[in-house]
Amino acid sequence: DTAVSQTPKYLVTQMGNDKSIKCEQNLGHDTMYWYKQDSKKFLKIMFSYNNKELIINETVPNRFSPKSPDKAHLNLHINSLELGDSAVYFCASSSTSGNTIYFGEGSWLTVV
Amino acid sequence: EDQVTQSPEALRLQEGESSSLNCSYTVSGLRGLFWYRQDPGKGPEFLFTLYSAGEEKEKERLKATLTKKESFLHITAPKPEDSATYLCAVRGYQKVTFGTGTKLQVIP
Repeated sequence: DTAVSQTPKYLVTQMGNDKSIKCEQNLGHDTMYWYKQDSKKFLKIMFSYNNKELIINETVPNRFSPKSPDKAHLNLHINSLELGDSAVYFCASSSTSGNTIYFGEGSWLTVV
Repeated sequence: EDQVTQSPEALRLQEGESSSLNCSYTVSGLRGLFWYRQDPGKGPEFLFTLYSAGEEKEKERLKATLTKKESFLHITAPKPEDSATYLCAVRGYQKVTFGTGTKLQVIP
């Protein structure tokens, strides 16, 4: 049973399109995250939610909008996709203390 | 701002050749230092959490140590299946900051 699952795994889309990535965790955690990993493997936090409330919002364009319908889900919607958005997006979760963050398998986004 | 620097960027070892990976950090109020392993096409997999200087943790051929400014991941007699990118991260007051990783290749 996958602890943190995200879909789709691969996504190829044209510039200007809008796309969503879904994430679900079955670990009973109350904190969820979105991370972006660029081509140089740098893993950078984008958003963090605790009990459905946004607690971290790094310098991310407004085109990125996270939504947490409940503690087990955190979706990422991206409007007007640009070439520079091409990256791997990881969903993750942890308990409130955040001592261990568990990652999903990643969603490979390619904007052409 | 919290910072994590890992060295070397890449490391190639013969099977059985022990070595160490370095993670230097600056953080306001360290609340944990983490080591992760990432295989190609996969998400980071948790290995260890260290909380205070002097602490050590071991798992199979891996041993992580922590000082006030850096952490080392020692790999003893590595095997080809240890090949992966190893990521270091620190938790400060609010968030976790990752380094760019060390890509380890173990040659049979």
